[in-house]
Amino acid sequence: DAKTTQPNSMESNEEEPVHLPCNHSTISGTDYIHWYRQLPSQGPEYVIHGLTSNVNNRMASLAIAEDRKSSTLILHRATLRDAAVYYCILKRTGSARQLTFGSGTQLTVLP
Amino acid sequence: GAGVSQSPRYKVAKRGQDVALRCDPISGHVSLFWYQQALGQGPEFLTYFQNEAQLDKSGLPSDRFFAERPEGSVSTLKIQRTQQEDSAVYLCASSLARVSSYEQYFGPGTRLTVT
Repeated sequence: DAKTTQPNSMESNEEEPVHLPCNHSTISGTDYIHWYRQLPSQGPEYVIHGLTSNVNNRMASLAIAEDRKSSTLILHRATLRDAAVYYCILKRTGSARQLTFGSGTQLTVLP
Repeated sequence: GAGVSQSPRYKVAKRGQDVALRCDPISGHVSLFWYQQALGQGPEFLTYFQNEAQLDKSGLPSDRFFAERPEGSVSTLKIQRTQQEDSAVYLCASSLARVSSYEQYFGPGTRLTVT
């Protein structure tokens, strides 16, 4: 699976939007972009995924660049409960296989 | 419904002891994964089952690690003759289907400390 690059850490103020970037310049046409997050002392949880078009769900939005070489996870109003490590992961179509985690972005939300 | 559960949540083992870690996936989930997470790192893949078949065990770090899922539901990860470098959180995840886009549901993990 292609590699992703994320900043090690980011800070946000509570109730403000957060934009978490991810670069994946070697993405292939069959790679889905997945985001997971891991709250302290918990297992990772699925946030959102997409292929080409922007996606929205109750947790977040995913904005995918037109060339698909980068994407941004958007939390519209950060809360203290959103403090977590956020992982951007590429996963190939047709494969039910494992996720390849990088080191992710540690998001700190300031009250 | 119930999520993925793992037991025990915490395990302390003396070096050289054998340990067994249990994972109860979400009912009906075909795929089951084990990951190892060292402190401050992202999870790393260990092994993957589809029903009872172990399709990939390329991530197991040594032959001291063994996993099974005999009836296609509960899985056990066994570590023989534990070493200090085995100290980590062991995460289990399950997934509904074979389609790539389906998300994985993770359990809370078992924190193993080898002294």
